[in-house]
Amino acid sequence: EPEVTQTPSHQVTQMGQEVILRCVPISNHLYFYWYRQILGQKVEFLVSFYNNEISEKSEIFDDQFSVERPDGSNFTLKIRSTKLEDSAMYFCASRQGRGYNEQFFGPGTRLTVL
Amino acid sequence: QKEVEQNSGPLSVPEGAIASLNCTYSDRGSQSFFWYRQYSGKSPELIMSIYSNGDKEDGRFTAQLNKASQYVSLLIRDSQPSDSATYLCAVITTNFGNEKLTFGTGTRLTIIP
Repeated sequence: EPEVTQTPSHQVTQMGQEVILRCVPISNHLYFYWYRQILGQKVEFLVSFYNNEISEKSEIFDDQFSVERPDGSNFTLKIRSTKLEDSAMYFCASRQGRGYNEQFFGPGTRLTVL
Repeated sequence: QKEVEQNSGPLSVPEGAIASLNCTYSDRGSQSFFWYRQYSGKSPELIMSIYSNGDKEDGRFTAQLNKASQYVSLLIRDSQPSDSATYLCAVITTNFGNEKLTFGTGTRLTIIP
């Protein structure tokens, strides 16, 4: 069964460093999302992406964040200068579109900022 | 602010019994509702979607939706220890045509053998 994949599973970085989290959505899906979950808190929407542009972004998704679909398969989230409070699980999700509303999540990347 | 509310639990249910999980949402315009299961340290796994008022059954799971009351529930019949997890209620909220999932805080369910 097709699934969303994410790499790396765990990323440790120093405060102020740039990180890139990678996702490969399900191949025939058109809509892509990033969510994050701080330990013990709820899953929060960060950004949605369709047709090679951002559809919507949350207040969390400030100028330090960017997303890109550099080729036909990868979808990346970049954090330019990480802060301690960026430590969280980051989930990529994709949706087929065309009347299909279900979003399927990848396994996540645990980001630890020291 | 469009909210989704769940009782955080923990909810303890004996093995073989029915587990009942509840959720309310604030956006009256929402049309799509989902239940995700999340094991500790793992990602949300979609288990049910429901779009119309009434009940929708899939195996041991039944989702119930009442749009007038802005209420969604999930029933798990014949509960198994493997059902022990956090159950997340999620609602599609729309902002100028753009859709995103808004999640509740989740209900932690423990099935007691």
